[in-house]
Amino acid sequence: NAGVTQTPKFQVLKTGQSMTLQCAQDMNHNSMYWYRQDPGMGLRLIYYSASEGTTDKGEVPNGYNVSRLNKREFSLRLESAAPSQTSVYFCATGRTGGSPLHFGNGTRLTVT
Amino acid sequence: QQQVKQSPQSLIVQKGGISIINCAYENTAFDYFPWYQQFPGKGPALLIAIRPDVSEKKEGRFTISFNKSAKQFSLHIMDSQPGDSATYFCAASSAGTASKLTFGTGTRLQVTL
Repeated sequence: NAGVTQTPKFQVLKTGQSMTLQCAQDMNHNSMYWYRQDPGMGLRLIYYSASEGTTDKGEVPNGYNVSRLNKREFSLRLESAAPSQTSVYFCATGRTGGSPLHFGNGTRLTVT
Repeated sequence: QQQVKQSPQSLIVQKGGISIINCAYENTAFDYFPWYQQFPGKGPALLIAIRPDVSEKKEGRFTISFNKSAKQFSLHIMDSQPGDSATYFCAASSAGTASKLTFGTGTRLQVTL
């Protein structure tokens, strides 16, 4: 029972390169989220998926795309990485509104 | 617009002391207020949560105090221990189809011997 698994754990990209961050959950939760964490700014919501087949923008969606592949998997894609996207990215899952979120251990991304 | 303001940014407390972290929110639609604890290299983990129908919730050494009229809530850690050294985030969300949590900026707590 792994909970929320994120891959890769670390990644270094050059400006303009693309990559996809993967997230998989075995908690049978309907909702999945991508947050980014930056020093002094807390966690900010990038995109979320309330249920399989739906995705919506969060607070900071520019420069990102997402795919809810099935109930278990939710990926985050950077099409053309920028240094401003250097951050730690967390995937989370939850049931419905007003319930706890369960986080993965993050992907630390550096864009040079 | 920062909807959840958290203070202090960092806190140093002696072992056995009380750690207090405060948060204030703006959106009156918020009705779920969790606190998360994060250790280095790990994701945040739920510590304790409260809903606005109660003014206080206690779980072991951790207590949330909630003031609906002031739109403020706080985390109290009694008998703080070195193992409590971590970053703490308050958050808030409203009922709906997804728990879109809005987080505070975090407090780095260090408990010294």
